[in-house]
Amino acid sequence: NAGVTQTPKFRVLKTGQSMTLLCAQDMNHEYMYWYRQDPGMGLRLIHYSVGEGTTAKGEVPDGYNVSRLKKQNFLLGLESAAPSQTSVYFCASSYLGTDQLAKNIQYFGAGTRLSVL
Amino acid sequence: DQQVKQNSPSLSVQEGRISILNCDYTNSMFDYFLWYKKYPAEGPTFLISISSIKDKNEDGRFTVFLNKSAKHLSLHIVPSQPGDSAVYFCAASGARSSNTGKLIFGQGTTLQVKP
Repeated sequence: NAGVTQTPKFRVLKTGQSMTLLCAQDMNHEYMYWYRQDPGMGLRLIHYSVGEGTTAKGEVPDGYNVSRLKKQNFLLGLESAAPSQTSVYFCASSYLGTDQLAKNIQYFGAGTRLSVL
Repeated sequence: DQQVKQNSPSLSVQEGRISILNCDYTNSMFDYFLWYKKYPAEGPTFLISISSIKDKNEDGRFTVFLNKSAKHLSLHIVPSQPGDSAVYFCAASGARSSNTGKLIFGQGTTLQVKP
């Protein structure tokens, strides 16, 4: 009963380095999301995907890229990390269906804590 | 522009008493509201939700109230238990985002329930 799995759980980068965060879900959900959580800011949407092969920008997309090559995976990339990207990153997924209320329920992974020095 | 606001960063209550967490929103197009609970080092988990066509939804010890005219919702926890100590996020979704499932989250309120 894995749900949404994020790897890695922790990472420390130097400014300018690149990395990819992986999100995998086993619930056959159509929608997937990447958020960042910062103190006092809540959860802010970075990018999202409404299906395999599609991606779209969220509220804070600058400095990040994403890919959804397989339905179950959603990758978040940082091409040149900056200290401002130090944060906790959460991936979430939700399903495509006719029940509007159920469709709005997102299921989250445990998060990736990233520090950029 | 913060469309969903939780103005109280923290709340402390005694075990057995009522906890009331508040959330305000500015966009009248929101039609679904959700509460999430988050423990340290874990992801947020869905707690309870309400549609804008209702003004109350109850699930065990948790009740969410919606006041559309005031653009305000609240989460009541009765009775509060030490295991309820967590960060609570309010979230909203509008009809226009229903085909994407996007949610807009508040800043969160840290609840501490003292034994």
